[in-house]
Amino acid sequence: NFMLTQPHSVSESPGKTVTISCTRNSGSIASNYVQWYQQRPGSSPTTVIYEDDQRPSGVPDRFSGSIDRSSNSASLTISGLKTEDEADYYCQSYDTGNQVFGGGTKLTVL
Amino acid sequence: QVQLVESGGGLVKPGASLRLSCAASGFTFSDHYMNWIRQAPGKGLEWLSHISGSGDNIKYADSVKGRFTISRDNAENSLYLQMNSLRAEDTAVYYCVRDFRTALLPWGQGTLVTVSS
Repeated sequence: NFMLTQPHSVSESPGKTVTISCTRNSGSIASNYVQWYQQRPGSSPTTVIYEDDQRPSGVPDRFSGSIDRSSNSASLTISGLKTEDEADYYCQSYDTGNQVFGGGTKLTVL
Repeated sequence: QVQLVESGGGLVKPGASLRLSCAASGFTFSDHYMNWIRQAPGKGLEWLSHISGSGDNIKYADSVKGRFTISRDNAENSLYLQMNSLRAEDTAVYYCVRDFRTALLPWGQGTLVTVSS
């Protein structure tokens, strides 16, 4: 199985743009779709991006996802940051039926 | 709307057993793979197991293989997790989660399992 590595924490100011990376250590990032989940304190995770760059209904277009084959990584970009975006963010992919999560990134909006 | 409601968590002693349930509504339950995922206090997400819509394809994470058993009752729109030989490190919030295409969507509210003497 592969691993997904995320930065432990990032911080940015309201109104700015932040990007969270998710690097796959073996196998191609493009081999299996990447999803991103937001977990606010005390709440269950919710899906903000699926299939690399798709937004579920109800997720604002300030959230976008992409993959970069050259760095073998996926990215979640949040533009026009709001204080309500402060949360933990997890990337996820899969392989031979196993679901793999990144360790999570704590986003602070200050 | 799609809803998943877990139940069955609680405080148990090491070595004990517990059965978690998840009641699903708002979608055709038998059409979807279902998952159990847990989160230890202050830690990240850990996928535990999934089961196909018909129940004939099941997979487990190595950490729970042989101790946990996933099952479903499509007539009752319910998902289950039988947990045996519980350890302190099994203490976590356990989530029931539906497969939607390649994503895990939506998540239930979770049920807390505490294993302590």
